[in-house]
Amino acid sequence: AAGVIQSPRHLIKEKRETATLKCYPIPRHDTVYWYQQGPGQDPQFLISFYEKMQSDKGSIPDRFSAQQFSDYHSELNMSSLELGDSALYFCASSLGLRSYEQYFGPGTRLTVT
Amino acid sequence: ILNVEQSPQSLHVQEGDSTNFTCSFPSSNFYALHWYRWETAKSPEALFVMTLNGDEKKKGRISATLNTKEGYSYLYIKGSQPEDSVTYLCAFNNAGNMLTFGGGTRLMVKP
Repeated sequence: AAGVIQSPRHLIKEKRETATLKCYPIPRHDTVYWYQQGPGQDPQFLISFYEKMQSDKGSIPDRFSAQQFSDYHSELNMSSLELGDSALYFCASSLGLRSYEQYFGPGTRLTVT
Repeated sequence: ILNVEQSPQSLHVQEGDSTNFTCSFPSSNFYALHWYRWETAKSPEALFVMTLNGDEKKKGRISATLNTKEGYSYLYIKGSQPEDSVTYLCAFNNAGNMLTFGGGTRLMVKP
């Protein structure tokens, strides 16, 4: 069965650069969630989208923005990168806004040097 | 800020041992409690989604219970195998969209 796809899997950027992470949900899933897991930390919710509209917002810095496109894939745009942005970024998808199940991708590991 | 805690943080057992660990979460505004099995460099794999107080779910040698009134869930593994050596994450869903994760329990099963 198709799973959530994230690209790239690994990304190395320098401080003050920008990065774009992509998430392709499971086919027919209309809801996408982004989580950030810093070194030694629990995954933290960043933002979610349902039917191309932002549905919930967590601890996402103002330097980050995200959107969901008509094919339901989502992109997380990160600007003015800081060392502290180095983390594993997970994307999850579900069918429906209040679904009990969220299916996770393998994550994108971002390293800021 | 929601407080979701897992204990222990790590656990070493012998192959064949049975073991269990805990996830505690707020007892108010409960919507669902998720257990994930997470192998490094792979996607967290959903084990259980638990929604009702008293729920007990089982998948092979792994089972889980849920107490929403007191805010805890147990995950049990019977007859641990080396392939069970992964991190087990619980996540609390309080009727919003977002999951609040615990810190995970890293299980290591010695052959």
